[in-house]
Formats: sequence, C-alpha cells, structure tokens
Amino acid sequence: GENVEQHPSTLSVQEGDSAVIKCTYSDSASNYFPWYKQELGKRPQLIIDIRSNVGEKKDQRIAVTLNKTAKHFSLHITETQPEDSAVYFCAASRGSGNTGKLIFGQGTTLQVKP
Amino acid sequence: KAGVTQTPRYLIKTRGQQVTLSCSPISGHRSVSWYQQTPGQGLQFLFEYFSETQRNKGNFPGRFSGRQFSNSRSEMNVSTLELGDSALYLCASSLDAGYQETQYFGPGTRLLVL
Repeated sequence: GENVEQHPSTLSVQEGDSAVIKCTYSDSASNYFPWYKQELGKRPQLIIDIRSNVGEKKDQRIAVTLNKTAKHFSLHITETQPEDSAVYFCAASRGSGNTGKLIFGQGTTLQVKP
Repeated sequence: KAGVTQTPRYLIKTRGQQVTLSCSPISGHRSVSWYQQTPGQGLQFLFEYFSETQRNKGNFPGRFSGRQFSNSRSEMNVSTLELGDSALYLCASSLDAGYQETQYFGPGTRLLVL
C-alpha cells in the first residue's frame, strides 16, 4: 500500500547549524511532495513543495530535493533559528486530480537550541 | 480570503455516541479532505470530497463517514464512538485546478471520547 517513511523522528541542532530530514515513498505514481510545519497547538502549514518534474527547489533558508528513481525526497534547513523548532511532516500525493489524498510521514520533531 | 474554519473546536463525548464535525473551506476551493491526527499514528487520511462526491477514501472503518454540500462545506460523522477515536480531526481544502495543489488546513476539532 501507499506509505511514506520519515527519518529521523527527532532532531536537535544548535542555532545556525543545518538540519536535514529525509523521506521515502512507496507509490511510484506520486508526483507531488509537500512539507508541512506544525507548531505546538497549531495547524500544519505548508513551508515548501516540489513536483516530480523538478529535482530541487529552494526558498530562502529552506530547500527540498527529489530523487524519483530512488523514491526519496529531503528537506534541508540552513542557518537554523529557534523559531524553526516544530514538528515537520513530509507527504506525497498523486498530484492534480488527486491532491486531496496526502500520505504523511510520521513527523520529525526539530529542536533548535539557542 | 478567510482561511479554513472548523467547528466545534473541542468536543467531549462518551463511548457509543455519535458526533458530527464541520469544515468550511477557503472560498472557491472545491476539494475538502479530512485527516485524523494522534500521537501514535500521526496524520492519517480519512477521505476527500470534491464537487459533492467522495473521490478518495482512507483505511478507516465504516463508522467514519462524510459528505460535502453544494457550497463545498463538508461534514464528517463518526458513529458508535470508541475510546480510540480520541484525536485531533483536521480538514484541509485545496483549489485542485491545474497546479493549484496546496492543501490548507483548518485549526482542527479536538475530540475526546470518555
């Protein structure tokens, strides 16, 4: 069945360091891969997404890379700040026409120490 | 535009009761999805409605059902509540036209079953 594996489950870094979260998906028809950030007691919010026709996308300190052959995608956060502390979820879907069905990874709790 | 709204925000029910949760999507969005979030299972897809039709369904028992109205508002119902149904129920809406795939989440309804 459809599955997304996310690692690590927890990640602690010093302020200013980089953080990397990795996900692997099983459904080869997946072609849309969003990342969400969820702060304690708040709703998940999209921070970046990538489609299968692109190998990498960057938005300021955040970047996502996709390897369709390996069914693997990663989130990279550079120059981490304490406000980056949150739970991060990767997800996969089959894209337009099926975007409503997101399969999520288990989440990574990121702690950025000042 | 106003964001996704959900009512009620909190609910306490007892085993065996039923509950109805409501979700109002962002104006113009036609797709509404529902997710269950628990500490142990993470974010799990329940179902998706698009133009009043269930388009996708997750692996939940038939006690979980939903519907969508002509104005895209959606409701989900859980019958014969069990203790394990205690969770945060999130809905998300998307435009789902072309590459407008982003799902925007509501604040959630926290359900406690006693």
